[in-house]
Order: sequence, then C-alpha cells, then structure tokens
Amino acid sequence: NAGVTQTPKFRILKIGQSMTLQCTQDMNHNYMYWYRQDPGMGLKLIYYSVGAGITDKGEVPNGYNVSRSTTEDFPLRLELAAPSQTSVYFCASSYSGTGSSYEQYFGPGTRLTVT
Amino acid sequence: AQSVAQPEDQVNVAEGNPLTVKCTYSVSGNPYLFWYVQYPNRGLQFLLKYITGDNLVKGSYGFEAEFNKSQTSFHLKKPSALVSDSALYFCAVRDVGNSNYQLIWGAGTKLIIKP
Repeated sequence: NAGVTQTPKFRILKIGQSMTLQCTQDMNHNYMYWYRQDPGMGLKLIYYSVGAGITDKGEVPNGYNVSRSTTEDFPLRLELAAPSQTSVYFCASSYSGTGSSYEQYFGPGTRLTVT
Repeated sequence: AQSVAQPEDQVNVAEGNPLTVKCTYSVSGNPYLFWYVQYPNRGLQFLLKYITGDNLVKGSYGFEAEFNKSQTSFHLKKPSALVSDSALYFCAVRDVGNSNYQLIWGAGTKLIIKP
C-alpha cells in the first residue's frame, strides 16, 4: 500500500516556466488537497477536491491550477513560475463518509525552487 | 472564525523528561482535533486524533493528548522524551458542524530533545 505518492521530489524552474506536480493516492479517498509549506511556516491550502471532477480554491490559489479526472490523481499545475512559488508542496488525501474523522494522509512532498 | 494557536515556536526538553506541546483552538461547533509530526525533509505523519469520548487519547510513538473543552485546548504529551522525538509538530482542527471539510492548521512547534 503506497499511500500518497508525489513526483518529482525536487525541481528547479526558471522564472516563467511551467510544470505539473503529480499526486496519486491508492486509498480510494474521495478528498484530496494541495498545500504549500514555506520555510519555518505552517501549511497553506492551495486547492482541494471533494471528488473526481470537483475542485475548489483554498487560501492561496493564485498562480496554480488543478484538475481531478480520476479518484486517484490530483495534479497541480504551475503556470508562469515566480520566485514567490519557491516552496515545498504537499499533497494529501482523506476519506469523508459515514464514521470518518477526516484525518489527512500526506505525500512526501516536492521541493520546488524558482530562480 | 476558526483558528488554531500553537503558542510556542520551539520547545526544548531533556531526554527522559516529560514533554508538552501546547495547542488551543477556536471553532463555533464541536471540534475534531489532530496532531501531526513532520521529521526533516519528510511529509506530515498522523499521530493521533480526538473525535469524541475519552478526553485522553493515545497515539503513535507513545504520544497522548488531552482534550479540554472548557479551555479549548488539545495539548500533546509524552511521559519520557526521546532524542528521536525531535521534529516539527502541527495541531489541526475541524469544526464538526461545518460542511467545509478542510482542516485548520497551527503554525507548528519545533520540539528539540537534548541528550
């Protein structure tokens, strides 16, 4: 059981470039999330999804896009990368349903540097 | 507004001594409360949760947390600290009555256990 997997682990982008961060979960969780964690800071929610085909903005969505075509996958797209997007990105998933307590399970993170 | 406060940026404890990492919360309804741990260059790992019932909940690695409704607190504790407990600890809350399934995160507390 792999849980939540993220690729790549590290990436360096030049200003203005674009990239997609991949996230896959094999726990059949309906909810998925993207967070960013800046150095010495807590988590900020970028986007989340309550199921395939449904996404919504979190606290800091500007400069990002997401899609959720399947239950398993929730890629995060960075368009026109900026230095302010230098951060560690975490994908997480959770199950909501009868008896659920909604704890989230995290991937190992993607460390992104924009120069 | 919902919020979580972790009043200490850093907690220093000698190995073998008891440790406490503090968390207070504010929600309009009943809370689901969570503790997560983050080791360097790793994703967040779920430690324990309070949903209902016994105010003292036990989790992974010998950690426990006490829910105090009157003080709106959910402090993380361990009777005897290990050097390997050194990590970043996050508290999170969800308002049970809120249809928004997001967790509200604290800023994190760095726990340093000295030999």
